[in-house]
Amino acid sequence: QQQVKQSPQSLIVQKGGISIINCAYENTAFDYFPWYQQFPGKGPALLIAIRPDVSEKKEGRFTISFNKSAKQFSLHIMDSQPGDSATYFCAASIESNSGYALNFGKGTSLLVTP
Amino acid sequence: DVKVTQSSRYLVKRTGEKVFLECVQDMDHENMFWYRQDPGLGLRLIYFSYDVKMKEKGDIPEGYSVSREKKERFSLILESASTNQTSMYLCASSFPLRGLTNTEAFFGQGTRLTVV
Repeated sequence: QQQVKQSPQSLIVQKGGISIINCAYENTAFDYFPWYQQFPGKGPALLIAIRPDVSEKKEGRFTISFNKSAKQFSLHIMDSQPGDSATYFCAASIESNSGYALNFGKGTSLLVTP
Repeated sequence: DVKVTQSSRYLVKRTGEKVFLECVQDMDHENMFWYRQDPGLGLRLIYFSYDVKMKEKGDIPEGYSVSREKKERFSLILESASTNQTSMYLCASSFPLRGLTNTEAFFGQGTRLTVV
């Protein structure tokens, strides 16, 4: 079953607006929460990531908000640009003796209109 | 600048064929992964490996096997290809999470496999 639930499935935002994508998880042992960005014809690439010991992380126009008690985290894209149009995946992971693997959400297709 | 290389961008195979998908990384990463990507389903983990000759099943290992004989190379094998294995296959690699700040997983460009 999907360990990370992502919404919305698709999102249309006007240029300059704020894009918000939400994710929720059940496993409280997860300790690493990255967001990946994927352009058509390319593999996903790391955008920004957070550990559960902080509630927010900001890198340029991209911010992760993390709510440990609610088991939710979200990606905010400020001043959205047409070049941000891509598919975004949230993920969660846990370290173990056998390494780790990322559990991805189903993805959000973002379209930023001019 | 290429870090994770998948041997083919596009493959067309017949039902019942044995199919090999190859992945090579040049970053000395311990971890390597195989995912498949389908519309509306996101990325689903097939297998991963945390060391040479070590492997772990992911969420959808049925119909697949893997091989990791060298640290830099991770192969995905479809024992007997079926039409429901038509998909985009993505390989990735990373360092372990523990003790390191750089935990980024690097992905290849993907192999679009069509089974007819």
